[in-house]
Amino acid sequence: DIQMTQSPSTLSASVGDRVTITCRASQSISSWLAWYQQKPGKAPKLLIYKASSLESGVPSRFSGSGSGTEFTLTISSLQPDDFATYYCQQYNSLWTFGQGTKVEIK
Amino acid sequence: EVQLVESGGGLVQPGRSLRLSCAASGFTFDDYAMHWVRQAPGKGLEWVSGISWNSGSIGYADSVKGRFTISRDNAKNSLYLQMNSLRAEDTALYYCAKVIAVAGFHDAFDIWGQGTMVTVSS
Repeated sequence: DIQMTQSPSTLSASVGDRVTITCRASQSISSWLAWYQQKPGKAPKLLIYKASSLESGVPSRFSGSGSGTEFTLTISSLQPDDFATYYCQQYNSLWTFGQGTKVEIK
Repeated sequence: EVQLVESGGGLVQPGRSLRLSCAASGFTFDDYAMHWVRQAPGKGLEWVSGISWNSGSIGYADSVKGRFTISRDNAKNSLYLQMNSLRAEDTALYYCAKVIAVAGFHDAFDIWGQGTMVTVSS
């Protein structure tokens, strides 16, 4: 089974900061990676798919990059609405989520 | 409006069964693979099971293989999860989710329901 490891687990940042979250796969998943945002009490929301494709309606401050085993989600200028937990997901072989990264207010 | 609405959750004793349903609307249900994802209280997301548009491909997480069965009824625009031999560790909010692409299976999930809570306890 493919394991997904996110870092950091928690990130403290301020509005306007550039934020980067990393996701590592235990084996190559090509570009079959998605990023989700989840707020308390809400269902996850798709942000990025196929490693770097922005889902319709998602602000352009979100971007994704990487291939193989190393991936990043970048928020170019953190906004108040972005404080949430972020998950990566591989869908190359079955489906596996990372453990999540909570972005909190510094 | 594209919508997924889960139902069927509740409190159940260990070893008993429960059947979850997911009603889809606002899109052509039989064009898309569907999945179940769960989230234990205060924990992360765990993929549970997925089924292709025509039920020809099905997958399960190791944690539920042999106990859970996914199915769909395209005529009723509905997805199901039959959960048998339930354990305390199955306690979670269960979401159904739709894949992005028509006829895709190994794909990301673009639409999620709000979830139905399953609590396994004596």
